[in-house]
Amino acid sequence: SQQGEEDPQALSIQEGENATMNCSYKTSINNLQWYRQNSGRGLVHLILIRSNEREKHSGRLRVTLDTSKKSSSLLITASRAADTASYFCATGSNTGGFKTIFGAGTRLFVKA
Amino acid sequence: DTGVSQDPRHKITKRGQNVTFRCDPISEHNRLYWYRQTLGQGPEFLTYFQNEAQLEKSRLLSDRFSAERPKGSFSTLEIQRTEQGDSAMYLCASGDRAYNEQFFGPGTRLTVL
Repeated sequence: SQQGEEDPQALSIQEGENATMNCSYKTSINNLQWYRQNSGRGLVHLILIRSNEREKHSGRLRVTLDTSKKSSSLLITASRAADTASYFCATGSNTGGFKTIFGAGTRLFVKA
Repeated sequence: DTGVSQDPRHKITKRGQNVTFRCDPISEHNRLYWYRQTLGQGPEFLTYFQNEAQLEKSRLLSDRFSAERPKGSFSTLEIQRTEQGDSAMYLCASGDRAYNEQFFGPGTRLTVL
């Protein structure tokens, strides 16, 4: 079963608004990553946050990590129609293989 | 193009046939991953290579599935005696040892009739 669970499953907003997606996981992790996937395409890495970090920024993206609650959030500010995609959180743990476990994703639709 | 490439992009086969997919990772990456993704779901881990060594396999990888990375460069994923439940997108990713960021290929979409 998938470790990460994103919330909400789907989100529809107007262009210019902020979008917040949440991810919860079950076991201890080494890091947590967020990926974007446009319809029918491969995944694109957005940002990685390590277990000893609490917040990270990259352009219009802001990621937080709360290891005590085993949760993370991805905030996309000033959304654009081009941000329409599925967003997945993925957890990595140092179990020798650095296996990465993906959640089921949040489908974001940004209306122009 | 120096990204991860996969071949073929699409494969339609009849139940019971064998299929083989190829992945060419980014050249300097020593880690290579295979995932399976079905509609509306996130990628499910199948297997992982570090150089030519297959270090981890998911329980999802039944005996009909085999993966190789003979020279530590490209990798192949073979599915024998395909079943309709094998229909999915098969994704390959590569990564650098120092980070856990993975770079994904475009995927191979398999349809088993």
